[in-house]
Amino acid sequence: DVKVTQSSRYLVKRTGEKVFLECVQDMDHENMFWYRQDPGLGLRLIYFSYDVKMKEKGDIPEGYSVSREKKERFSLILESASTNQTSMYLCASSPWDRGPNQPQHFGDGTRLSIL
Amino acid sequence: SQQGEEDPQALSIQEGENATMNCSYKTSINNLQWYRQNSGRGLVHLILIRSNEREKHSGRLRVTLDTSKKSSSLLITASRAADTASYFCATDNFTGNQFYFGTGTSLTVIP
Repeated sequence: DVKVTQSSRYLVKRTGEKVFLECVQDMDHENMFWYRQDPGLGLRLIYFSYDVKMKEKGDIPEGYSVSREKKERFSLILESASTNQTSMYLCASSPWDRGPNQPQHFGDGTRLSIL
Repeated sequence: SQQGEEDPQALSIQEGENATMNCSYKTSINNLQWYRQNSGRGLVHLILIRSNEREKHSGRLRVTLDTSKKSSSLLITASRAADTASYFCATDNFTGNQFYFGTGTSLTVIP
């Protein structure tokens, strides 16, 4: 089974801090994604990546950046954390070699609180 | 926005009953997927239906797709307490890997 591991289940940080959320997948998937999930808003795509060192903006990239130096690892960076970035963050991966629109495999999420 | 919208927002049924959730979307799609999310966990893929398919089954799940109405439904038959979760539909952006998730239906199955 595909395993997507997010480094922290819960994280508490202060406003203005630089925050790193890490995600690792073990199935050699080309595609990786970062979402945030808020009540009443569903999942919103922040950034995604098709390959190492490649990144594409999603719907809400402002205040975030990403890094993909290795195929299995996709990091989300909050450059200067703000309280409106308190949320559940979900990482996902999917293969490309079987074509587009493949099911995504999710990690268990990081619940981030910015104080 | 292409985001899907699920209906109802919340559903409560007795164990053994069937549960039906609906999803509406706005633009053309290649496929539509349904996911389940247990409380505090990530999403788990349930089923994918392609735009040229009208119905698909997987165990106790039945999904229908009506592209003319831009809508899909998920039916869970003979529900169990373990089916208690939130259910999301996801539509693609027609060119490839980006998906748009709805806001979900929260299903509670009462033992």
